[in-house]
Amino acid sequence: SYDLTQPPSVSVSPGQTAIITCSGDKLGDQYACWYQQKPGHSPVLVIYQDNKRPSGIPERFSGSNSGNTATLTISGTQAMDEADYYCQAWDSSTWVFGGGTKLTVL
Amino acid sequence: QVQLVESGGGVVQPGRSLRLSCAASEFTFSIYAMHWVRQAPGKGLEWVALISYDGSKKYYADSVKGRFTISRDNSNNTLYLQMNSLRAEDTAVYFCARETVGSTTEFDSWGQGTLVTVSS
Repeated sequence: SYDLTQPPSVSVSPGQTAIITCSGDKLGDQYACWYQQKPGHSPVLVIYQDNKRPSGIPERFSGSNSGNTATLTISGTQAMDEADYYCQAWDSSTWVFGGGTKLTVL
Repeated sequence: QVQLVESGGGVVQPGRSLRLSCAASEFTFSIYAMHWVRQAPGKGLEWVALISYDGSKKYYADSVKGRFTISRDNSNNTLYLQMNSLRAEDTAVYFCARETVGSTTEFDSWGQGTLVTVSS
């Protein structure tokens, strides 16, 4: 089975840049996407096709994907960005999520 | 505004069955592939099943293969998940999610989820 690995937690100070990684075998050969999930809420797509932002997602969210690693970058992190973030990819008719990263803004 | 509303969750004994529904509105349901994704309490997201826009293709996670069946009724804009032989480890919030048209990866809209608790 295909696995995606994320760090369990990332901490960042307000206004700084948060970087969350997602690792998988040859992940760069396929599209990766990212979801934000706040407690008690459903996931929200924040990045798709490696680096595209859905309508309504702030410009401070960006993504990249190369080699074995996809990266979600949040520039000028705000308190409202504190949430769990999940990467996701598709492999052989199976949709795979990373284990999730809890982003703490402190 | 896309709407996906799940229902049918509840408490069920191990070995029993449950059927979840997802009512879709404010978009053309019949052209979208749909998924079920679950989240155990305090845990991460786990993909469960996919059904293609016309119901001709269905894929399942290994953890539910042979026990769960995904289906859809395009005339009533509803997605279903029939869950049989339920186990304690199936306890989770179950979300329905819409796959972006033309994509094979991301889910652009999610329901609010319905909680399934498998316990004696």
